[in-house]
Amino acid sequence: DAGITQSPRHKVTETGTPVTLRCHQTENHRYMYWYRQDPGHGLRLIHYSYGVKDTDKGEVSDGYSVSRSKTEDFLLTLESATSSQTSVYFCAIRKGQGRTNTGELFFGEGSRLTVL
Amino acid sequence: AQSVTQLGSHVSVSEGALVLLRCNYSSSVPPYLFWYVQYPNQGLQLLLKYTSAATLVKGINGFEAEFKKSETSFHLTKPSAHMSDAAEYFCAVSDEGGGSQGNLIFGKGTKLSVKP
Repeated sequence: DAGITQSPRHKVTETGTPVTLRCHQTENHRYMYWYRQDPGHGLRLIHYSYGVKDTDKGEVSDGYSVSRSKTEDFLLTLESATSSQTSVYFCAIRKGQGRTNTGELFFGEGSRLTVL
Repeated sequence: AQSVTQLGSHVSVSEGALVLLRCNYSSSVPPYLFWYVQYPNQGLQLLLKYTSAATLVKGINGFEAEFKKSETSFHLTKPSAHMSDAAEYFCAVSDEGGGSQGNLIFGKGTKLSVKP
């Protein structure tokens, strides 16, 4: 158990509405990531964070913003949801840093978002 | 930039047969390489990882993978498939040179079906 909780696990919303997905970790790791998973595309990085208030863009960041006001929480916001943002969203953490970091990520259970 | 190619989006084997899932990577620096498994409606679970130690890596559930630098490959194998191995498998490489601080670059995934 990686101690990662995503909420909500399922959400249906309408085009143009704002949506916020939450990722909560219990182990105070520095690095957190948001990916989206789509058939035929694997997982693609949206945004990541390397500390409180320290975030950066990933490969598919357009239309998304993130915030990290506490170590344990990493929020992903869709300011105005579109149908192309229908996807499964995964949060991940990286444990350790420097010599203790062996590179793997640990994933949450995912949040399935449908934009009508 | 790093990239990962998984050959075959779907692979079907009979129970008891050899499982071979192919992964080729491109990387300008010595990579960390990973295989993840995803069961339906679940998150990704680490199967095994290569971090520049032994080139033959053993993972969970009887899977193993061999790092071949000359072929830039990291194929996943299991001698005898079991029905419970049916899942989607993702190969990933660490994005050490891409500035994303620990991000993994994923292949598009291979769905493994196991026939009785």
